[in-house]
Amino acid sequence: LAKTTQPISMDSYEGQEVNITCSHNNIATNDYITWYQQFPSQGPRFIIQGYKTKVTNEVASLFIPADRKSSTLSLPRVSLSDTAVYYCLVGSNFGNEKLTFGTGTRLTIIP
Amino acid sequence: DAGITQSPRHKVTETGTPVTLRCHQTENHRYMYWYRQDPGHGLRLIHYSYGVKDTDKGEVSDGYSVSRSKTEDFLLTLESATSSQTSVYFCAIRPPRQGEVNEQFFGPGTRLTVL
Repeated sequence: LAKTTQPISMDSYEGQEVNITCSHNNIATNDYITWYQQFPSQGPRFIIQGYKTKVTNEVASLFIPADRKSSTLSLPRVSLSDTAVYYCLVGSNFGNEKLTFGTGTRLTIIP
Repeated sequence: DAGITQSPRHKVTETGTPVTLRCHQTENHRYMYWYRQDPGHGLRLIHYSYGVKDTDKGEVSDGYSVSRSKTEDFLLTLESATSSQTSVYFCAIRPPRQGEVNEQFFGPGTRLTVL
């Protein structure tokens, strides 16, 4: 399973755009990149997933360069409710359903 | 909500006692997972199941066993609890693949303290 590296913590002000970058130098051809969000005392929640280029949904955007060795989760105009831990995961789906969570990035939104 | 419940939500027990945690789903999904979460380690997979009576080990399976006799229930058992098993335990389910490869839905968690 590809190892991921992301910043331990980040701070941002309300209303700003936040970009969290994840490195995954050993990503395999079949691997997808997925981001989860976790609030205190809750289980993680799926945010977004992509394979290449750019993916956007109602919550976030995911930018993946051509070499796929990194990815950036972009949260537009954050609010206090976006304070959470964000996990970057890399994995495929070929009979092995194991997800590997790292320690994540603790994002704190400042009023 | 994804239709996952965990019981109990909180438990305090003593070293050496057996403990069983229950995960129940109403979605009829095939795949179910047990994770533990500890400070500084993120979430780590303990065991997972890909069907009734079909289970496999995760990265931290020592000291744990699981059973799945019905689609809706996935049980995690600590045969003889130790203080190192004090943790928050999360159950997760995964719906059939529909373009989203790694999406799992997590339960609310069980906080277990072993004294």
